[in-house]
Amino acid sequence: AQKITQTQPGMFVQEKEAVTLDCTYDTSDPSYGLFWYKQPSSGEMIFLIYQGSYDQQNATEGRYSLNFQKARKSANLVISASQLGDSAMYFCAMREGPNNFNKFYFGSGTKLNVKP
Amino acid sequence: KAGVTQTPRYLIKTRGQQVTLSCSPISGHRSVSWYQQTPGQGLQFLFEYFSETQRNKGNFPGRFSGRQFSNSRSEMNVSTLELGDSALYLCASSSADRGHNEQFFGPGTRLTVL
Repeated sequence: AQKITQTQPGMFVQEKEAVTLDCTYDTSDPSYGLFWYKQPSSGEMIFLIYQGSYDQQNATEGRYSLNFQKARKSANLVISASQLGDSAMYFCAMREGPNNFNKFYFGSGTKLNVKP
Repeated sequence: KAGVTQTPRYLIKTRGQQVTLSCSPISGHRSVSWYQQTPGQGLQFLFEYFSETQRNKGNFPGRFSGRQFSNSRSEMNVSTLELGDSALYLCASSSADRGHNEQFFGPGTRLTVL
């Protein structure tokens, strides 16, 4: 089974509107971390936001927030007030368990296009 | 702090050759991970090194190997290159032994195998 599933290969959003990028995950480990990364066309992966499995509140970082629904195993990224510079690939990733430290599983990504 | 650097940025090789890629982590980071990114398979974890020891390994054949030096710099080697090895190879470093451990990625090395 896929560890991380991103079901939206591509998304369009109007500039200044909010957009939600979906991510579901699969793990039986009670300890895990969820991450979102942005990859512009230049190729570099940029860390956006983190949510720990034991965190009680949804993570927020500026215009980024993570809608964490643990029972549904979903960790959707919400980008508010989209900007043209937000056009990029977005990857959801999971780090599983304390013994796996930095072994990350990545989803297939969602290509976001922000329209002016 | 300087970011993660990777050299070379672009590489063209032919089938059967071998290649070595280099990654310098952010100063103070002891963990270095390697990933292969292709359009078909997405981002796949190769291995992670921590304090010169391989701590985690993905599902890649033995042609893919790596090492880490005492200054935390890491190299990845691919022997007997195949066409399917053409990919963007990303290196990421992180600082803590445990915890949420966000990874900081380098710009990648784009390998083309002809």
